[in-house]
Amino acid sequence: AQSVSQHNHHVILSEAASLELGCNYSYGGTVNLFWYVQYPGQHLQLLLKYFSGDPLVKGIKGFEAEFIKSKFSFNLRKPSVQWSDTAEYFCAAIPGGTSGTYKYIFGTGTRLKVLA
Amino acid sequence: EAGVTQFPSHSVIEKGQTVTLRCDPISGHDNLYWYRRVMGKEIKFLLHFVKESKQDESGMPNNRFLAERTGGTYSTLKVQPAELEDSGVYFCASSPPVGTSRTDTQYFGPGTRLTVL
Repeated sequence: AQSVSQHNHHVILSEAASLELGCNYSYGGTVNLFWYVQYPGQHLQLLLKYFSGDPLVKGIKGFEAEFIKSKFSFNLRKPSVQWSDTAEYFCAAIPGGTSGTYKYIFGTGTRLKVLA
Repeated sequence: EAGVTQFPSHSVIEKGQTVTLRCDPISGHDNLYWYRRVMGKEIKFLLHFVKESKQDESGMPNNRFLAERTGGTYSTLKVQPAELEDSGVYFCASSPPVGTSRTDTQYFGPGTRLTVL
């Protein structure tokens, strides 16, 4: 079955530390990939997405992600986190060839806490 | 542009009761999705509407769940009768019509937290 794995469930960092959150997907064909963030009390917001082209994708708020096809990975990175990055982060995928249904397959989420 | 809205934000009901959740998508978005997150688990797809038609309802757990989107605007998700395992956060999302460049990007509502006692 198609799945998305996020191996880090909880991450605690100090401000200015670098961040890398892992995401792996199980689909071997064309895939669209997303990172969403949910700040406390807010709705899910799109951070960045990969459809094709340059595998290094830059998103909002200084986040970036790299699509590595050979590793089935789409890890999220930020060189220096801030207290305001405290949130839950979700990786999601749309496997190709879904015949018109663009349903997301989500990972379990990673809760990031940044200490001031 | 108004975002996706959901009502209510919280609902607490007893087992066996009925609850109806509502989602208002972004204006002009033909695609409407329902997802559910049970505590500690991943967000799971329930179903997908294109306008008023159900495109994919493969994620609906059982026949106690009924989704409608009359007129292709807002959608409702009814749970009848509710069971304990239905507790969770129900998210709605919408996206622009197929053929536009942003079809694949879904815009999420704040979710409805359902607690079944």
